[in-house]
Amino acid sequence: GDSVTQMEGPVTLSEEAFLTINCTYTATGYPSLFWYVQYPGEGLQLLLKATKADDKGSNKGFEATYRKETTSFHLEKGSVQVSDSAVYFCALSDLGDDKIIFGKGTRLHILP
Amino acid sequence: DTAVSQTPKYLVTQMGNDKSIKCEQNLGHDTMYWYKQDSKKFLKIMFSYNNKELIINETVPNRFSPKSPDKAHLNLHINSLELGDSAVYFCASSQMDRQNTEAFFGQGTRLTVV
Repeated sequence: GDSVTQMEGPVTLSEEAFLTINCTYTATGYPSLFWYVQYPGEGLQLLLKATKADDKGSNKGFEATYRKETTSFHLEKGSVQVSDSAVYFCALSDLGDDKIIFGKGTRLHILP
Repeated sequence: DTAVSQTPKYLVTQMGNDKSIKCEQNLGHDTMYWYKQDSKKFLKIMFSYNNKELIINETVPNRFSPKSPDKAHLNLHINSLELGDSAVYFCASSQMDRQNTEAFFGQGTRLTVV
């Protein structure tokens, strides 16, 4: 079945560092790909998404490109802030699959 | 207006009790879900309902029973609560009949069984 694998955390960086959180997927169809963010004590919020190969999703300085050839959707940000500290989830949904599949989440700590 | 709302936000109860968590969405979505998030933040889907019909039941003990009175509501009833049921439970909704749909999540219900 479909699945999502993302790098294990926690990831600890200093403010203004470059961030990459790796995400790869397996899917039988042509899924849409998402990154969700969960701030402490809150629910999940959609951060960005991409619906087809080579699409780039972007929001709040974060970017991810849908790479079909490597089945990847890595999250990047050029200069992280303390307020980016959260848990990040990579996810996919496949049309007709009736569910959204999440990776295990990556906890990010940004130090001032 | 909150898109997906669930109540209560916190629930502390004793082992063996029966409790319910309610969820409502005002987005007009046709699919609703319950996810369980454990202490390590792993998110596991429990149930998926599409137009009030159960689509997915992911190896959840039968002490957990979802009920969907209409498309906008999906409640979760838990019988004979156990310590291992302590977790944060998230309700979510989406529109699954088209591509590129994302899920919208409620704020979560932190269940503590003592």
